[in-house]
Amino acid sequence: SQQGEEDPQALSIQEGENATMNCSYKTSINNLQWYRQNSGRGLVHLILIRSNEREKHSGRLRVTLDTSKKSSSLLITASRAADTASYFCATVFSGGYNKLIFGAGTRLAVHP
Amino acid sequence: SQTIHQWPATLVQPVGSPLSLECTVEGTSNPNLYWYRQAAGRGLQLLFYSVGIGQISSEVPQNLSASRPQDRQFILSSKKLLLSDSGFYLCAFAGSTNEKLFFGSGTQLSVL
Repeated sequence: SQQGEEDPQALSIQEGENATMNCSYKTSINNLQWYRQNSGRGLVHLILIRSNEREKHSGRLRVTLDTSKKSSSLLITASRAADTASYFCATVFSGGYNKLIFGAGTRLAVHP
Repeated sequence: SQTIHQWPATLVQPVGSPLSLECTVEGTSNPNLYWYRQAAGRGLQLLFYSVGIGQISSEVPQNLSASRPQDRQFILSSKKLLLSDSGFYLCAFAGSTNEKLFFGSGTQLSVL
């Protein structure tokens, strides 16, 4: 399967702490994306990192990509209760014709 | 601006009944369109994608079908629903760069 796999499956932290989620995938990719889903809602795109990039920032989000290890991480700094959601990585693998393949997600709970 | 509409938000259907879920996109032309299904607490499974009117690619064999009768309309159908068709169905379109996806708000389908 080309699917990305997130780790951990669930993460519980206190407000102000940092949250780190990891994603591994199996084949060469064009890009890797992170999405967020609030319970019972659609997904919202957070950040895209291309295969030739190693790190990207967007506000309190930091994404790294290690193509040699076929892995990526999403760091949310200074987390807030409003960050409580599920986070998914998704990959477009080389030759994947724009098909985005999602992992199972990490459920993040941030407690006030 | 680009928007996506998906309806209904919730649907309860008896086994053996037909299904029609509709998704429409505004503010863009000839988008790539996608149907995903999400089991409770799980990741997204790509069901169908379309790169143009009448062009449908199926990712997994199943009891469902998809059609794209107009450029910005994507329909998910079934002639006879099964219990296993229950889930959260999400429609999405690819943005202008054909990379990141924009998702609808989803339809929670319960087959009883």
